[in-house]
Amino acid sequence: ETGVTQSPTHLIKTRGQQVTLRCSSQSGHNTVSWYQQALGQGPQFIFQYYREEENGRGNFPPRFSGLQFPNYSSELNVNALELDDSALYLCASSSDGSSYNEQFFGPGTRLTVL
Amino acid sequence: KQEVTQIPAALSVPEGENLVLNCSFTDSAIYNLQWFRQDPGKGLTSLLLIQSSQREQTSGRLNASLDKSSGRSTLYIAASQPGDSATYLCAVRRRTGGGNKLTFGTGTQLKVEL
Repeated sequence: ETGVTQSPTHLIKTRGQQVTLRCSSQSGHNTVSWYQQALGQGPQFIFQYYREEENGRGNFPPRFSGLQFPNYSSELNVNALELDDSALYLCASSSDGSSYNEQFFGPGTRLTVL
Repeated sequence: KQEVTQIPAALSVPEGENLVLNCSFTDSAIYNLQWFRQDPGKGLTSLLLIQSSQREQTSGRLNASLDKSSGRSTLYIAASQPGDSATYLCAVRRRTGGGNKLTFGTGTQLKVEL
């Protein structure tokens, strides 16, 4: 069974640029959630996708957007990058969108905005 | 709004000690609570998931309890080892509002010394 994978591992961008982060869900999972973790903080929920539809969103501006593909992999896009967007971005997958199901996290993408 | 607090923020113990990490949450209307381990700069590893109807879960040297009515959970680590050194995060999934997201505490940074 393949776990959750994310790419790239690290990324350096400058203010105002755009970035796309990618996530492949664990085999058999159709739900993907994205979280932002600033240094020394707990992860903060960005949004969730279930069967290619957005299924809940946290307190993040519209310049944070996402997609889920028919194979349930997902992208997180961030436009007009700001310094405060520097963080570890985590993707988690689970099955069936159920609130009872365990979420499994990937290794994360470290984004640095200069 | 759900808030999750973890005490202590940091803990240093000698190898072999039994220890307890604490997690409290303000809204008891939850589906479940999940404990994670995070090594520096890495993703999250799920340790234990406790459904709201359960009182505790055990895995090896780890035991997690849940008292939903008082908004508390503890993670007990028996016979600690240097390899247990990491940050431990608890997260709850609310039953009302917020969709299927996890709300995290800021973590307890554990160091087990030889």
